[in-house]
Amino acid sequence: GQNIDQPTEMTATEGAIVQINCTYQTSGFNGLFWYQQHAGEAPTFLSYNVLDGLEEKGRFSSFLSRSKGYSYLLLKELQMKDSASYLCAVRYGGATNKLIFGTGTLLAVQP
Amino acid sequence: DGGITQSPKYLFRKEGQNVTLSCEQNLNHDAMYWYRQDPGQGLRLIYYSQIVNDFQKGDIAEGYSVSREKKESFPLTVTSAQKNPTAFYLCASSPSGGLTGELFFGEGSRLTVL
Repeated sequence: GQNIDQPTEMTATEGAIVQINCTYQTSGFNGLFWYQQHAGEAPTFLSYNVLDGLEEKGRFSSFLSRSKGYSYLLLKELQMKDSASYLCAVRYGGATNKLIFGTGTLLAVQP
Repeated sequence: DGGITQSPKYLFRKEGQNVTLSCEQNLNHDAMYWYRQDPGQGLRLIYYSQIVNDFQKGDIAEGYSVSREKKESFPLTVTSAQKNPTAFYLCASSPSGGLTGELFFGEGSRLTVL
């Protein structure tokens, strides 16, 4: 079956660095996504990994290890506006763009 | 501006009533999706459509129906057969053959059954 695990909640301090982990077990892996979702709003795309390694985009970086079924999202220089849920999603299903989502990690950034 | 528009944003329904949620996109995307989001659970796929006049069931299609008569529109009907319809519904689209295939989401529709 398809399964994604990520921590339910995390707390970090403004200006610090936080790493949000995601582990998955899926068949037909075809890429991993991270989305940010503020309360009551639509998810917005943060990053995409399909090959092993680190992808950096400004303050956000995402890492993937396909052999370990593991990814993390790294947020640097945390700001209060980074308080949100972070959703890990895995694409599967070959030609179709079907995603399975984790439950999301609610990050609270404190002053 | 290009984007995805969902309406209504909030909707209240009595038990036994069908309700239709609208989703319109002007991004010229081929594929469209409906997800349901409940507290403590990940987004779950209800239906998806890769081209006009074709759609497929997702993981939790029971009690829902869709149509795709136009490329821009993918309405979702929540029928009275859906046992627990109170949820946040998200519509999304993606271009076929896109580099990453990321999903673009609408703002969501929150349905409450009274």
